[in-house]
Amino acid sequence: GESVGLHLPTLSVQEGDNSIINCAYSNSASDYFIWYKQESGKGPQFIIDIRSNMDKRQGQRVTVLLNKTVKHLSLQIAATQPGDSAVYFCAERREGYKLSFGAGTTVTVRA
Amino acid sequence: DAGVTQSPTHLIKTRGQHVTLRCSPISGHKSVSWYQQVLGQGPQFIFQYYEKEERGRGNFPDRFSARQFPNYSSELNVNALLLGDSALYLCASSWGTGETQYFGPGTRLLVL
Repeated sequence: GESVGLHLPTLSVQEGDNSIINCAYSNSASDYFIWYKQESGKGPQFIIDIRSNMDKRQGQRVTVLLNKTVKHLSLQIAATQPGDSAVYFCAERREGYKLSFGAGTTVTVRA
Repeated sequence: DAGVTQSPTHLIKTRGQHVTLRCSPISGHKSVSWYQQVLGQGPQFIFQYYEKEERGRGNFPDRFSARQFPNYSSELNVNALLLGDSALYLCASSWGTGETQYFGPGTRLLVL
C-alpha cells in the first residue's frame, strides 16, 4: 500500500551546520503533513506542519518545504545543536484524521 | 499545562495474557488516538476516538480494542497477547478528529 518514507535512515551533522531531512510520499490525496522529533525513550514531539496548499513554512530554526509535483517533503534545521540529535519522522494525514508515518531518520550531531 | 499522560510506563506480560493501557489527553482535547511503535519503525495507527465514539481503526486484529470515557481519557486493551505485540504504545490527543496530534511518552510493553 501507499506509505510515507524517508530517503535516508541516518544523517550525521557537524554542530552549527544546517541539516536537511528528506521524505517522499506517494498519496497525492494527502492534504496535511507533519514533522515529529522523537528522542530516546520519549514519545514523538511535534515540530512543524504544513498543509498541501502551501510550499513552505517556517518555525523557530526549522523550515518545512513541500513539493507536490514530485511528492517530496523536507525539514531544514538551521545551526544544528546537540539537542537536535533524535529520530525524525514525517507523517501524512490520511482520510482526514489518521497519521501514516515513515520509518524515520536518525540525526546525530557531531561536536 | 500538562501534556498527554500514559500509564503504566513499562509493563511485562506473558503470552496469552491481557493488558490494559491508559491515556489522559491534554486538557480540552476531545480526541484520542492510539499507535503501536515497534523498535526501529515509525508508529502505526491503531484507533482514534472522538467524543467517545470510534472514529477509525487501523489494520489490527480484533484482539485490540479501546474505549473513551466521558472525561475523554482512554483505555487500550489487548487480549491473548503474542510475542509480536511487544512494542511502545503511544497515545496522542487533539482538539478534534483532524487536528494536530500531540503524543504522550508511551507505554513500553514486553511480552515474554
